Amino acid sequence: GENVEQHPSTLSVQEGDSAVIKCTYSDSASNYFPWYKQELGKGPQLIIDIRSNVGEKKDQRIAVTLNKTAKHFSLHITETQPEDSAVYFCAASPNSGGYQKVTFGTGTKLQVIP
Amino acid sequence: DTAVSQTPKYLVTQMGNDKSIKCEQNLGHDTMYWYKQDSKKFLKIMFSYNNKELIINETVPNRFSPKSPDKAHLNLHINSLELGDSAVYFCASSQITSGGLKTQYFGPGTRLLVL
Repeated sequence: GENVEQHPSTLSVQEGDSAVIKCTYSDSASNYFPWYKQELGKGPQLIIDIRSNVGEKKDQRIAVTLNKTAKHFSLHITETQPEDSAVYFCAASPNSGGYQKVTFGTGTKLQVIP
Repeated sequence: DTAVSQTPKYLVTQMGNDKSIKCEQNLGHDTMYWYKQDSKKFLKIMFSYNNKELIINETVPNRFSPKSPDKAHLNLHINSLELGDSAVYFCASSQITSGGLKTQYFGPGTRLLVL
């Protein structure tokens, strides 16, 4: 089955700096890579996703890059703000026409220091 | 207009008891999930139902039994609760698109504490 590794487990940055979270996956059949943000006391919420036919995707201050050859993908947050502080999860999922499960990474706790 | 709702939000109970958690989604999705999140924040899938049929059943003790009365509801019943069952349980739903997109929408979680 799929195995997703995520680094770092914790990340502290000064407000205004950039934050980068990296993930690797093992199943070459995976082709859908969502990122979730989990605020304290809440459920994970999708913030951005990317499919394997795209190398990079950007949405305002958030961008995700994907390297299928190396089987890794990254989340980039620019101009970080205190409200970006949360736990971030990467995930990977194959699409072989059936109902494949989404495998989550182990999470990165991001702290943005004002 | 909550998309995915769970009840109860908090559940404190004694070891050995039986308890249920309920989940409802009003997104019209055809697939629902139960996840367990432990104290280290690891998110682990437990079950998934598609149109009321069980499609994913991970290695979960038999004490956990999901039930889907219709595609908008997925409940989780836990028998003979153990200390190790203490965790946050998340319900989620998704709709499989023709492109295979599987964006999952999570509920607020049920915080279970077994004493």
